[in-house]
Amino acid sequence: GQNIDQPTEMTATEGAIVQINCTYQTSGFNGLFWYQQHAGEAPTFLSYNVLDGLEEKGRFSSFLSRSKGYSYLLLKELQMKDSASYLCAVIDSNYQLIWGAGTKLIIKP
Amino acid sequence: GAVVSQHPSRVICKSGTSVKIECRSLDFQATTMFWYRQFPKQSLMLMATSNEGSKATYEQGVEKDKFLINHASLTLSTLTVTSAHPEDSSFYICSAREVQERNYEQYFGPGTRLTVT
Repeated sequence: GQNIDQPTEMTATEGAIVQINCTYQTSGFNGLFWYQQHAGEAPTFLSYNVLDGLEEKGRFSSFLSRSKGYSYLLLKELQMKDSASYLCAVIDSNYQLIWGAGTKLIIKP
Repeated sequence: GAVVSQHPSRVICKSGTSVKIECRSLDFQATTMFWYRQFPKQSLMLMATSNEGSKATYEQGVEKDKFLINHASLTLSTLTVTSAHPEDSSFYICSAREVQERNYEQYFGPGTRLTVT
């Protein structure tokens, strides 16, 4: 079966750095997305990785290792507005998007 | 970036009635649109995938006669919840994939919160 694992919840301090991990086992791989979702709102795109390595975009970076079936989202200089759920999603061999359950990130002052 | 709209944003209806939700891609053509449902504190659950001009493909466990999907054009898809019941109360989100999009990114609408009383 297809499976995407990410921690259910994480807590971090304003101004700090947090890394949210995602491991996946899917039938094929055509890319991995990270989305941010605030409560009561639709997901918004953060990053897309299809090749191994680190993609940096401002305070957010995303890393992929296809051989390990592993990705992480790195958030720097955390702000209170970063409190949200972070969803990892993988495109499988049928070009379907397989979603993880999401990681709820709580930022404390 | 690509923009997807949904209407209405919130709807309250009585049990037994039907509700139609519209999803539009505003500045691009969408070959494929997706309908998701999300219950509180849970992840997105894909309900169905629709391609313009063809019948929708429903995920296992989703009743196609209850959740009617129409994708009549490259910019519009509709989801009709027929004979709604309180257990259908949920956050419904559509997304669209652009014709020329190479990385299969989905652009999400803002969602529709349905409450069935």
